[in-house]
Amino acid sequence: DQQVKQNSPSLSVQEGRISILNCDYTNSMFDYFLWYKKYPAEGPTFLISISSIKDKNEDGRFTVFLNKSAKHLSLHIVPSQPGDSAVYFCAASALNSGNTPLVFGKGTRLSVIA
Amino acid sequence: DAGITQSPRYKITETGRQVTLMCHQTWSHSYMFWYRQDLGHGLRLIYYSAAADITDKGEVPDGYVVSRSKTENFPLTLESATRSQTSVYFCASSEWGGDTGELFFGEGSRLTVL
Repeated sequence: DQQVKQNSPSLSVQEGRISILNCDYTNSMFDYFLWYKKYPAEGPTFLISISSIKDKNEDGRFTVFLNKSAKHLSLHIVPSQPGDSAVYFCAASALNSGNTPLVFGKGTRLSVIA
Repeated sequence: DAGITQSPRYKITETGRQVTLMCHQTWSHSYMFWYRQDLGHGLRLIYYSAAADITDKGEVPDGYVVSRSKTENFPLTLESATRSQTSVYFCASSEWGGDTGELFFGEGSRLTVL
């Protein structure tokens, strides 16, 4: 059973517009969430994270929103740039259950069109 | 240079052969991980290690063997490669076990089993 779900395999957005990538989780024990970005032929790199005690975290053009009651988080990129074109992975962990490894979603491929 | 390196970057082998993928990190991180990335499955954890001589199974450990005799090295061995093990393999490291912050990923090893 997939614990972290990214239901949109791909997303296309015009340059300058907002990109919204969604992620749902099923494990209510998850309390720490991260987004990773991956370019072709490279390893994933950490982008932004959020703890369950918060509902929003911002870092420049990137904002992550967390809705615990809906078990849903989203990554907003504003404004989107061509260099943002990559695969984005949502990941989650049960921090209070000890050092459990991250569980990743299947990823969403974002294409930002100039 | 400091970082995490994987070798080989590309490998073609035949069914039944033994293959070892190497991973080396220079940060002295306690935790190391092996993930595989497959289309439609995202990143799945194979094995991880909390310290030298301590390893644990992840989501998809069957057919793989790991060892951690030194903190900086975490080789992954496919004892008898199968076609289903054709994948891109990523090694990662973290100081906190990956649930409180970043995992640092290598560039990946693309393995093809014929």
